Amino acid sequence: SAVISQKPSRDICQRGTSLTIQCQVDSQVTMMFWYRQQPGQSLTLIATANQGSEATYESGFVIDKFPISRPNLTFSTLTVSNMSPEDSSIYLCSAAGGRNEKLFFGSGTQLSVL
Amino acid sequence: GNSVTQMEGPVTLSEEAFLTINCTYTATGYPSLFWYVQYPGEGLQLLLKATKADDKGSNKGFEATYRKETTSFHLEKGSVQVSDSAVYFCALSSSRGGSFGTGTRLQVFP
Repeated sequence: SAVISQKPSRDICQRGTSLTIQCQVDSQVTMMFWYRQQPGQSLTLIATANQGSEATYESGFVIDKFPISRPNLTFSTLTVSNMSPEDSSIYLCSAAGGRNEKLFFGSGTQLSVL
Repeated sequence: GNSVTQMEGPVTLSEEAFLTINCTYTATGYPSLFWYVQYPGEGLQLLLKATKADDKGSNKGFEATYRKETTSFHLEKGSVQVSDSAVYFCALSSSRGGSFGTGTRLQVFP
């Protein structure tokens, strides 16, 4: 199994600022994903983080707002840019790895934007 | 705090067999409950959801009923297909946060 460390676990930010969330996996994984979960809602996939190339974004999410980096097979960052209160949410990193490509989750980042 | 417990896998079935994957939860307040599915090589997809007690979520022949009295949200399907082979995750979400189960791998053989 893979262990995913995600930080920060929570933050309170001012409108207009940016926050970068880090996701570190303890083993090499083929796929990494970033999700958003708004209160009481299901997960929404933001993007698939591709190693060595630009992330693949889902409909409704753009690189200028959510730039993603994945410099190697164990690490990725998601930046929430120019934040507004509507960005208050839990942001979750996940990774697929191992022989069966099972999905593992970080502990999430609870973001509140004032 | 919030937590979700789901049955260990793998679950191995023959095609057309009946499926049950158990899920129980602990939460403060009134969470929404979800089942997600991960097909090989893909990210999570929402399979079904229920937002209040006694609601039944259903999709693609899968069903789950939100049982507040037993704090459960068991996933069922009457007749599984080979194409249902995947990993299934139970999850909850509330205003106080969310939680995922560890996933149950389902393997269906012809």
